[in-house]
Amino acid sequence: LAKTTQPISMDSYEGQEVNITCSHNNIATNDYITWYQQFPSQGPRFIIQGYKTKVTNEVASLFIPADRKSSTLSLPRVSLSDTAVYYCLVGDHNQGGKLIFGQGTELSVKP
Amino acid sequence: DVKVTQSSRYLVKRTGEKVFLECVQDMDHENMFWYRQDPGLGLRLIYFSYDVKMKEKGDIPEGYSVSREKKERFSLILESASTNQTSMYLCASSPILDNEQFFGPGTRLTVL
Repeated sequence: LAKTTQPISMDSYEGQEVNITCSHNNIATNDYITWYQQFPSQGPRFIIQGYKTKVTNEVASLFIPADRKSSTLSLPRVSLSDTAVYYCLVGDHNQGGKLIFGQGTELSVKP
Repeated sequence: DVKVTQSSRYLVKRTGEKVFLECVQDMDHENMFWYRQDPGLGLRLIYFSYDVKMKEKGDIPEGYSVSREKKERFSLILESASTNQTSMYLCASSPILDNEQFFGPGTRLTVL
């Protein structure tokens, strides 16, 4: 299973766009890229998933370059409530979801 | 909405006790997972199950066992609790052929 590398922490201010980049140099052909968000004392929550190019939903966008060795989660106009840990994962879509969570990126949004 | 529930939010046990952590999901998902989460280490997979009575070891299965007698229920068992098993335990479920996992609220276990 591909291993991911992402920054341990990031700071931002309310209203800014935040981009969190994840490296996954050994991503396999069948792997999808998935991002989760976790608030303190809660389980992680699925944010977005993609395979290539760009995916957008009501919460975030996910940018994946052609070589798929990295991906960037983009959070538009963050608010204080976006302060959380964000995890990047890669896994085989056909394996029914065995995923490896890394340490994640702790995002702190300040007023 | 998918709901994953865990039997306790907080649990305190003594060293050597047998501990059962229960997880139930209501969306008929094939796959269920148990993780533990510790500061600085992220989530680590203990065991997962892709069908009733089926189980697979995750990254850190030592000291744990699991049981899946019914599709909706996945139990984590600490045969003889030790202090290094003090942690937050998270259960998750997912549909087959899909990477989105739905997590429960977690059980914070303290072993004294």
